[in-house]
Amino acid sequence: GAVVSQHPSRVICKSGTSVKIECRSLDFQATTMFWYRQFPKKSLMLMATSNEGSKATYEQGVEKDKFLINHASLTLSTLTVTSAHPEDSSFYICSAFGTSGYRNEQFFGPGTRLTVL
Amino acid sequence: DQQVKQNSPSLSVQEGRISILNCDYTNSMFDYFLWYKKYPAEGPTFLISISSIKDKNEDGRFTVFLNKSAKHLSLHIVPSQPGDSAVYFCAARNNAGNMLTFGGGTRLMVKP
Repeated sequence: GAVVSQHPSRVICKSGTSVKIECRSLDFQATTMFWYRQFPKKSLMLMATSNEGSKATYEQGVEKDKFLINHASLTLSTLTVTSAHPEDSSFYICSAFGTSGYRNEQFFGPGTRLTVL
Repeated sequence: DQQVKQNSPSLSVQEGRISILNCDYTNSMFDYFLWYKKYPAEGPTFLISISSIKDKNEDGRFTVFLNKSAKHLSLHIVPSQPGDSAVYFCAARNNAGNMLTFGGGTRLMVKP
């Protein structure tokens, strides 16, 4: 089946630093990847849609200069949280749109827990 | 404006009984619906899906029912097992793209 990995799984950083999260589709090519954020006991909120070779499309209310997304290849998208602050602490999940068997849809990564001190 | 709603934040069921998780949507452009299971600190894992041209899809212990006129879908798990305890999200996709809209989730607790 389609596998999506994320790295790192957990990161703790100081306020003001930047953090990069990688999302990889391991056994399929993904022209489209999605980045979500989940607050405690809340649903997954779509942050942006990442398309290979073009600029990401951000959802309303998401600061594109703060959450930099790069989708440089068909298997890798990165999310960089710039000048992180404690309110950016959250669980970030990526997904990749691909095909596995008869299913053609999003496959999710395991998530990255970001804690900003 | 929540286009996909799961009105029950939690549900507790005895092992062996049926679990019924509900989901309502408002956007009539949605034509494909999915259920995901999520454990804490993990990404969602796909459970079962249904196209809007069907009203029922079954996979082992999991059955999803879709009532298009009521814009309502439900996930039935029978028999429920303690390992089913997790948060369940319904999601919907419209025919215009690949983006998913998620409901707020329902935490299912199956008691032994």
